[in-house]
Amino acid sequence: KQEVTQIPAALSVPEGENLVLNCSFTDSAIYNLQWFRQDPGKGLTSLLLIQSSQREQTSGRLNASLDKSSGRSTLYIAASQPGDSATYLCAVRGAYKLSFGAGTTVTVRA
Amino acid sequence: DGGITQSPKYLFRKEGQNVTLSCEQNLNHDAMYWYRQDPGQGLRLIYYSQIVNDFQKGDIAEGYSVSREKKESFPLTVTSAQKNPTAFYLCASSTSKGGGEKLFFGSGTQLSVL
Repeated sequence: KQEVTQIPAALSVPEGENLVLNCSFTDSAIYNLQWFRQDPGKGLTSLLLIQSSQREQTSGRLNASLDKSSGRSTLYIAASQPGDSATYLCAVRGAYKLSFGAGTTVTVRA
Repeated sequence: DGGITQSPKYLFRKEGQNVTLSCEQNLNHDAMYWYRQDPGQGLRLIYYSQIVNDFQKGDIAEGYSVSREKKESFPLTVTSAQKNPTAFYLCASSTSKGGGEKLFFGSGTQLSVL
């Protein structure tokens, strides 16, 4: 059974600092890994999708890396802003479903 | 605009009552999913459907039921057999069964017990 872990559970940084969010998974047989953002009481918004054959994906200030062999992914957010405050979840895609981590709640202090 | 619509946003259930959560998508996606989210936990899969008139149980299907009579719609019924239904419920859809596709989510329904 796939286990997905996100540490730390919460993170607080001053505005302008770079954010590094970690995701680890136990089974490397994945199709892809997806990073999501969730605002309080809202649904999930997809940020980046990395296919199993890729090493990284970039979108604006966001960069996500994937190391299947070690079962790790990292989401980097450059020059954080208060608007980046949210919960970030990673999910790995197996044969027919996604397995989610519990998320890292980020607070960016102005 | 294409997207996934969940309703209602908030729902209250009385003891012994069945309630139905609506999920509609206009993205022309084949696959649809229902997840449950509890505080401090990852999302857990309740049911999923890869094609009309077909669906499979996820990890925590007990006390729930679904139907997939139309491609656009995948309603979830929380039955009285579900003893701890208070949670945030999320519906999602994706383009295919292949495994490489992106998942899109609705805005969720918060279910509480009176």
